[in-house]
Amino acid sequence: DAGVIQSPRHEVTEMGQEVTLRCKPISGHNSLFWYRQTMMRGLELLIYFNNNVPIDDSGMPEDRFSAKMPNASFSTLKIQPSEPRDSAVYFCASSTQYGYTFGSGTRLTVV
Amino acid sequence: GENVEQHPSTLSVQEGDSAVIKCTYSDSASNYFPWYKQELGKRPQLIIDIRSNVGEKKDQRIAVTLNKTAKHFSLHITETQPEDSAVYFCAASNGGYQKVTFGIGTKLQVIP
Repeated sequence: DAGVIQSPRHEVTEMGQEVTLRCKPISGHNSLFWYRQTMMRGLELLIYFNNNVPIDDSGMPEDRFSAKMPNASFSTLKIQPSEPRDSAVYFCASSTQYGYTFGSGTRLTVV
Repeated sequence: GENVEQHPSTLSVQEGDSAVIKCTYSDSASNYFPWYKQELGKRPQLIIDIRSNVGEKKDQRIAVTLNKTAKHFSLHITETQPEDSAVYFCAASNGGYQKVTFGIGTKLQVIP
């Protein structure tokens, strides 16, 4: 199994541009989570899905953030428009009852 | 919602000594407590976990303890080695499928 696959690994974009982060969970994992990691705030849960349905999006910071999971093997996190304070590492994770597996993360830099 | 507090935020130990990281949680419904290790520039990886029906679990040099009454849980690393240097996160959840709330992390430095 290739694990949780995220793309791109690095993204540098200008303020105001749209950014789309992608995630492929481990096959058979029913839950998918998007986290943001910064030095100041640690690992923050943005949103999570169970069986492709959004369960809790209370961590999504603003309307500029949106996430979709059109099928069991793909999810996107979109930021539109992006701002410098969105710069962070964004992790996707999928889980079974035995716990999380994280992807390698996307390091986003908004200049 | 769940709130997980973790301390210390940084910890330096001499190689061979023990390291202890402590966490508290707020939601009495939480019943699953994983610990993750994150090396610089890498993803968090699960190193050990404990469920609420168990008070202690050990895996080689790593052990976790859980006190459900006090809502405390701890990670113990014995005979520390330089490769143990990393950031360690505690977390709490009310089930593996459910969201996991993480502590702020402890940066452990093992000095050779």
